[in-house]
Amino acid sequence: DTGVSQDPRHKITKRGQNVTFRCDPISEHNRLYWYRQTLGQGPEFLTYFQNEAQLEKSRLLSDRFSAERPKGSFSTLEIQRTEQGDSAMYLCASSLAQGSADTQYFGPGTRLTVL
Amino acid sequence: DAKTTQPTSMDCAEGRAANLPCNHSTISGNEYVYWYRQIHSQGPQYIIHGLKNNETNEMASLIITEDRKSSTLILPHATLRDTAVYYCIVMARGGSNYKLTFGKGTLLTVNP
Repeated sequence: DTGVSQDPRHKITKRGQNVTFRCDPISEHNRLYWYRQTLGQGPEFLTYFQNEAQLEKSRLLSDRFSAERPKGSFSTLEIQRTEQGDSAMYLCASSLAQGSADTQYFGPGTRLTVL
Repeated sequence: DAKTTQPTSMDCAEGRAANLPCNHSTISGNEYVYWYRQIHSQGPQYIIHGLKNNETNEMASLIITEDRKSSTLILPHATLRDTAVYYCIVMARGGSNYKLTFGKGTLLTVNP
């Protein structure tokens, strides 16, 4: 399978714990995106990387959230001191920015439940 | 990016064509129309995109009006597996623009 993969698919944690999610983009895609989706809503943009550089962070991304893409390949999203309001589906997408071509392809998501 | 308006929900009989409308009256000349769908508890799936010409691929057809203020996604022979939320998104491509802005989409229910 050469699509976007995310790990884990589900995570249940207690309030106050730290969690880390991983995203492996489609091979050779230079852009990687994180989105968050709460129940009944469409996905909301969180942050975006071009290669290893993080170029924008949404205001939704509080100081407790950090994302990295150290070698321009996989990415991690860490949430420190989780709160119940962090419960959501976290989606990763990747794209190959080449001229005007930039279609994003999504992974299956990581569903986080904070108790 | 221009905003889009979609019906909240639609029904379609299995085997019939599903026609999903989208209004994007403030679309500008460099903005594309993208369609994604999301089956329950899965990540969004890219369907098709277009600028001003009609487009067709193995999944669907996209019809964009001449003034580009609205479009219709057509699933020619809907199956039960096409039941999903369908999102119409307008986005400029190239340059520094990069994020998809999702609305609430249209819940398409395909009935047997």
